[in-house]
Amino acid sequence: DQQVKQNSPSLSVQEGRISILNCDYTNSMFDYFLWYKKYPAEGPTFLISISSIKDKNEDGRFTVFLNKSAKHLSLHIVPSQPGDSAVYFCAARDRGSTLGRLYFGRGTQLTVWP
Amino acid sequence: DSGVTQTPKHLITATGQRVTLRCSPRSGDLSVYWYQQSLDQGLQFLIQYYNGEERAKGNILERFSAQQFPDLHSELNLSSLELGDSALYFCASSVWPGWAQETQYFGPGTRLLVL
Repeated sequence: DQQVKQNSPSLSVQEGRISILNCDYTNSMFDYFLWYKKYPAEGPTFLISISSIKDKNEDGRFTVFLNKSAKHLSLHIVPSQPGDSAVYFCAARDRGSTLGRLYFGRGTQLTVWP
Repeated sequence: DSGVTQTPKHLITATGQRVTLRCSPRSGDLSVYWYQQSLDQGLQFLIQYYNGEERAKGNILERFSAQQFPDLHSELNLSSLELGDSALYFCASSVWPGWAQETQYFGPGTRLLVL
């Protein structure tokens, strides 16, 4: 049962343009969301997060938007750079759990071309 | 560098064998998580330890077990290996699992290939 879904396995964007990666979730108990970036042969690297009490969080070129009513979040990268090419995972945490486990989507491969 | 270390980086073994994967968390982190990533799959949560005690179990097979030692490093033991166990195994750590906005930091992973 996939509680966090990334329906686009891949995304291709030109350098300098905006990249928008989407994530949907089904569990209304999720209260904290994270994006991780993963390069080949490396572990996932934390990128940005958002609490359910907010609808936007910004960090440099990266902005995450949360729409709780739609159970949807998105990661915007502006401007996109070739170094952003990686797999991006969306993850969520259940506020009903104090155990901290994260639920991950299957990832979206972002390719930024010059 | 996340500060989480995992060894070995690669492991090739045969079906029916047993292997041990090792993880050292970031300095100060008390909680360790193990995840499995198979081909085209997201990260599947296996098990969590906090300060030496098992706290949560996910999709972990009975052939798999783990422990966290007093120095907080953790080992994941995989036995009676099958071809389908070939995957990337990641360890992550965090300070305390009860913090509402905790972030998990991942190690580089161990790539296991079962032949």
